[in-house]
Amino acid sequence: SQQGEEDPQALSIQEGENATMNCSYKTSINNLQWYRQNSGRGLVHLILIRSNEREKHSGRLRVTLDTSKKSSSLLITASRAADTASYFCATDQAGTALIFGKGTTLSVSS
Amino acid sequence: DTGVSQNPRHKITKRGQNVTFRCDPISEHNRLYWYRQTLGQGPEFLTYFQNEAQLEKSRLLSDRFSAERPKGSFSTLEIQRTEQGDSAMYLCASSPRVGSYNEQFFGPGTRLTVL
Repeated sequence: SQQGEEDPQALSIQEGENATMNCSYKTSINNLQWYRQNSGRGLVHLILIRSNEREKHSGRLRVTLDTSKKSSSLLITASRAADTASYFCATDQAGTALIFGKGTTLSVSS
Repeated sequence: DTGVSQNPRHKITKRGQNVTFRCDPISEHNRLYWYRQTLGQGPEFLTYFQNEAQLEKSRLLSDRFSAERPKGSFSTLEIQRTEQGDSAMYLCASSPRVGSYNEQFFGPGTRLTVL
């Protein structure tokens, strides 16, 4: 079963704009991770935020986590065409399997 | 290249045939995971190994599926008597599992098509 639900399912923006995608989950977690997947390829780890953290930055990425609302957001600033991909949140409940959402498909046009 | 590798990248088979996929994890990672991903969905967990021990299996892993990691290095995933519903991308990931972190590094996947 899939725990996370990303919102929106699809997002289209212009280069230079910011992209925000959200993730909601159902149960308590150790950490939450965001991954990127280019069409038909494997997943690339972007960022991990632990359950006791509220915000984390990595380059143009900013992730927030609200455990009281069981939600997270991923912000990509100054988007580029190369950011076009599917983005998945994944929750780690017990340090083993990751539980993924269905993903947000981001399209950045130049 | 020191990332996770998977072979083959693509496999087309006829219904009823057996198939085997291989995953080579990052060498110092002791945890290895298999996931399955169908079109428009996120990856779904199948099973994971810590070294050579298979510690967890999903209910998705029917009796026709078997996974091994004989020496705690590479892993194989075999599907017997394939069905059309087995068509999917099979992803392998490895993790060093340090502390509370469980960052997983994924391979490129094996895309299975069952005709």
